[in-house]
Order: sequence, then C-alpha cells, then structure tokens
Amino acid sequence: GAVVSQHPSRVICKSGTSVKIECRSLDFQATTMFWYRQFPKQSLMLMATSNEGSKATYEQGVEKDKFLINHASLTLSTLTVTSAHPEDSSFYICSAGTGGHEQFFGPGTRLTVL
Amino acid sequence: DAKTTQPTSMDCAEGRAANLPCNHSTISGNEYVYWYRQIHSQGPQYIIHGLKNNETNEMASLIITEDRKSSTLILPHATLRDTAVYYCIVRVLISGANNLFFGTGTRLTVIP
Repeated sequence: GAVVSQHPSRVICKSGTSVKIECRSLDFQATTMFWYRQFPKQSLMLMATSNEGSKATYEQGVEKDKFLINHASLTLSTLTVTSAHPEDSSFYICSAGTGGHEQFFGPGTRLTVL
Repeated sequence: DAKTTQPTSMDCAEGRAANLPCNHSTISGNEYVYWYRQIHSQGPQYIIHGLKNNETNEMASLIITEDRKSSTLILPHATLRDTAVYYCIVRVLISGANNLFFGTGTRLTVIP
C-alpha cells in the first residue's frame, strides 16, 4: 500500500520558537493532504486541508497564522507551528489519498513545548 | 456527514471473534461506512469500507444492516496486536478531498 512519512517523529522545543513538521507521500502523488491534531486520550481532530499549489483550507477554530501549511509539491506538505506554546503540545498526524476510498496516514509527530 | 455512535470500550479474548458495532441512523444514501483503527501512538490505519453490501478483506469483515442504520466490524480471530481504538466513520466519497472526521471510537482490548 501507499506510504506516508513524517519528520521528525518527536520534537521538543522551547516556548516561543517555531517548529516545522514534514509530511511526504513516498510512492504516490497527493494533490491533497490533511493535517490532524490529537491530544492525549482524545480523538483526532482535523485541522486543515493542504492543497498543492494553493492555500490550505482551515477548519473552524484553527488559527491559520499560527499553523502555517505549505504544499509545495505533489509529495510534500509542511506544517509549521509558529510561536509554539505549551498548549500546542500534541500529536500531529498527516494523511493523503490517491483519489480512492482509502486514506493513508503518517506515523505522527509528537510535539512537546516546554 | 452522518454522526456515528460506538461503545466506548470492549474486551475480546485472544483467538475469538471481535464484533464491534456502530450506529449511524442518519446515514444518507450516498454515504459510505469506513473503519479505521489506531494503535497507541501511531497514525490510523484503514481497515475496510462499504456502502450497502457486506464486505470482507484480509483484515476484517463489515456487515451492514439492510436499512444501513448500523454496521458491525468483525475481526474473525483477534490477536493481541489488534488492541487499538477502532473508528467508524460515515461520509460521502469526494475525490481529492476525502478528509475524515473522527468520533471517539471503541477501545478494543484483546485479552490473552
């Protein structure tokens, strides 16, 4: 099946710094990728839809200026958490599809903001 | 997208069949039923999907009632590695925009 990777898998940063998370589709092209956030013991929450070559579409309540998404190519989307604060500590997961029913998820990135 | 209701948690003995129910009483005619699972600290994994007919693949079987208001995911011979949170999601398939909205899911624990 199709493979989606994320980098880094785990990151610890100081409050006020920015962190970039990469999501790559390794063996397929994805015009659309999705970013989710998951807090401990909670379900996944869709943050935004990342569109190749155009602006991302953000879900209600997600600050677009804080969570910058860039989908520069058909295989790469990046999520940058700007001016991170402890409340941004979470598990960030991306996904992509090939146009069919199945969504392929990355392994996730655990962000800890001190 | 139709809302789904799942039990919070279930236990299953290793080697036995695990039957995970899902209610989706407000499902519309063009909405599919999808099942994903998430093993602890990993990204979700697709299991199976269906529209009207029962479906089976190498991982599981999906039984959808005739009125489509509920479904059951069946893991025929549960193993310890099947311990995970199982999500039932219903939505229309939109090519290129098949984002998913996850509910709370069912935490399945397979017991040795």
